[in-house]
Amino acid sequence: EAGVTQFPSHSVIEKGQTVTLRCDPISGHDNLYWYRRVMGKEIKFLLHFVKESKQDESGMPNNRFLAERTGGTYSTLKVQPAELEDSGVYFCASSRRGVGNVLTFGAGSRLTVL
Amino acid sequence: SQQGEEDPQALSIQEGENATMNCSYKTSINNLQWYRQNSGRGLVHLILIRSNEREKHSGRLRVTLDTSKKSSSLLITASRAADTASYFCATDAAGANSKLTFGKGITLSVRP
Repeated sequence: EAGVTQFPSHSVIEKGQTVTLRCDPISGHDNLYWYRRVMGKEIKFLLHFVKESKQDESGMPNNRFLAERTGGTYSTLKVQPAELEDSGVYFCASSRRGVGNVLTFGAGSRLTVL
Repeated sequence: SQQGEEDPQALSIQEGENATMNCSYKTSINNLQWYRQNSGRGLVHLILIRSNEREKHSGRLRVTLDTSKKSSSLLITASRAADTASYFCATDAAGANSKLTFGKGITLSVRP
């Protein structure tokens, strides 16, 4: 099966600009997660979709971040306006519903805000 | 606060040696997982151990779990240069609605 695909792999933007990251999960995976890793720190949870519904968005830093998963397929994460501290690697992961919750990750989208 | 904390933060060993990495966590868990990340790639699931299990093996990997101490260890035996990567433990907290919590990771370097 195809893996989790993320686009773009790297984005460099200026403070105040907008960036939209996209994630295509594995087909049939109802669970979709966004995580972020800032250099040298832990991988932090941002939010969790089950199909098109936001199950848990407790990790979203503030209202500059907007995640959507229309139709329960791919997801987008928009940062508007971007700030310097938003720099990091944004990972998307997906999983089937069920016991264990083993995640399959994408390669990540590296965001650099200048 | 960080749920999983790995230790050490960096480890350098010679090919053929064993590598032991530790993880401590704070809350009750359903299971604990270990993931590997090669540079520039996504995390790859290695092994899952449930809260009622004490030890699990998969190839050259051995994971232990001590729920009384809230800690886990990952042992890689007979390491290879290809094992060079970052390793993360992730906990699936009890009652937490299917959210994995990761630590900072351990950077393992295996010298050929």
